[in-house]
Amino acid sequence: GAGVSQSPSNKVTEKGKDVELRCDPISGHTALYWYRQSLGQGLEFLIYFQGNSAPDKSGLPSDRFSAERTGGSVSTLTIQRTQQEDSAVYLCASSFSVGGYEQYFGPGTRLTVT
Amino acid sequence: SQQGEEDPQALSIQEGENATMNCSYKTSINNLQWYRQNSGRGLVHLILIRSNEREKHSGRLRVTLDTSKKSSSLLITASRAADTASYFCATDDSGAGSYQLTFGKGTKLSVIP
Repeated sequence: GAGVSQSPSNKVTEKGKDVELRCDPISGHTALYWYRQSLGQGLEFLIYFQGNSAPDKSGLPSDRFSAERTGGSVSTLTIQRTQQEDSAVYLCASSFSVGGYEQYFGPGTRLTVT
Repeated sequence: SQQGEEDPQALSIQEGENATMNCSYKTSINNLQWYRQNSGRGLVHLILIRSNEREKHSGRLRVTLDTSKKSSSLLITASRAADTASYFCATDDSGAGSYQLTFGKGTKLSVIP
């Protein structure tokens, strides 16, 4: 079946603009995760969903970041008033459930804030 | 904060040699996972080892886990040029009440044909 898809694959935006990043998880996966990765670095956890609920938002860097998931499927990560330090690859992953299941990653969205 | 930390940061070997990468972590865990990343984009899951397991095999991969030392190793035997990638360990924190995974900064493996 289809894997995790993300859109757009690349996004260039001006500082101060808002951006929306989309993630389509694997059908039937109840858990969905957002990470970001800066150049040459490891993955930084942002938020995860179990169904439509986000039990752990502790990784969101600031109140400019928000995420939602509807229908237990598609998720959107929104960054308001983007800053240059927001430039990174944003990765989405899904898994069958939380707790001890492998995560399947999408190809990521490369965000560049100019 | 970083939970897993891979060692070495970079490793260069000849095709056919074995590659060993290590991961250390700080908290008690339920499980530890290894992932591979090519070209800085999506990650691919390699293997998951639970806290009550000591060793696990998958093809040319062998993973060990020592919870007393809070460390894990990934061994790739008979390496191939296609194994060139960055390898990350990821752990949960069994005491945190959250299912987030914390990734290390990775080991960049180069396999020279």
